[in-house]
Amino acid sequence: EAQVTQNPRYLITVTGKKLTVTCSQNMNHEYMSWYRQDPGLGLRQIYYSMNVEVTDKGDVPEGYKVSRKEKRNFPLILESPSPNQTSLYFCASISTSGTDTQYFGPGTRLTVL
Amino acid sequence: GENVEQHPSTLSVQEGDSAVIKCTYSDSASNYFPWYKQELGKGPQLIIDIRSNVGEKKDQRIAVTLNKTAKHFSLHITETQPEDSAVYFCAAITLSGGYQKVTFGTGTKLQVIP
Repeated sequence: EAQVTQNPRYLITVTGKKLTVTCSQNMNHEYMSWYRQDPGLGLRQIYYSMNVEVTDKGDVPEGYKVSRKEKRNFPLILESPSPNQTSLYFCASISTSGTDTQYFGPGTRLTVL
Repeated sequence: GENVEQHPSTLSVQEGDSAVIKCTYSDSASNYFPWYKQELGKGPQLIIDIRSNVGEKKDQRIAVTLNKTAKHFSLHITETQPEDSAVYFCAAITLSGGYQKVTFGTGTKLQVIP
């Protein structure tokens, strides 16, 4: 089954404690992306990656890091989380071979106290 | 950068009526416009999309129209059903040698009243 998985699904942490949200896709897609969703603001792109070792900033990259060492994985790293990073996070991967369909993961709800 | 405005933010319709959601974009380089449906507790799911070389696309009860000159595109849902109730997002994307930045609208919460 084609899917994007994220872990953890829910996380409560404290300010300053480094965390990583993992994202994995089994569709061999080149393009992957991270978004955050906040009420009234829709989804905003944090970082995207067009292929292994190729990443670029989206609209709201401050406070986040990413890496793309393997095609299937695209972890989101918060080195020093702050309360304003409390949000719902989605990972997505995209087929760039014709359909351009973007597949989203189930989401990770992060609370930073 | 790209800016996408989406209206209305909430929409209530009677079952069987039509629903229309509108988006405007600012960057003329945007050439791909998908629409997503997000149900409670789930990630967005693509329901229909349109490219800038096409003016209209239809898939059963769902249609999307694009006016490149005015830089706006709309989602039309006919014969609405209760299961259409969800949050809908539009997006504007530049496809040039692969995906680049993706800009979403702020979402429309559609309620279909039985």
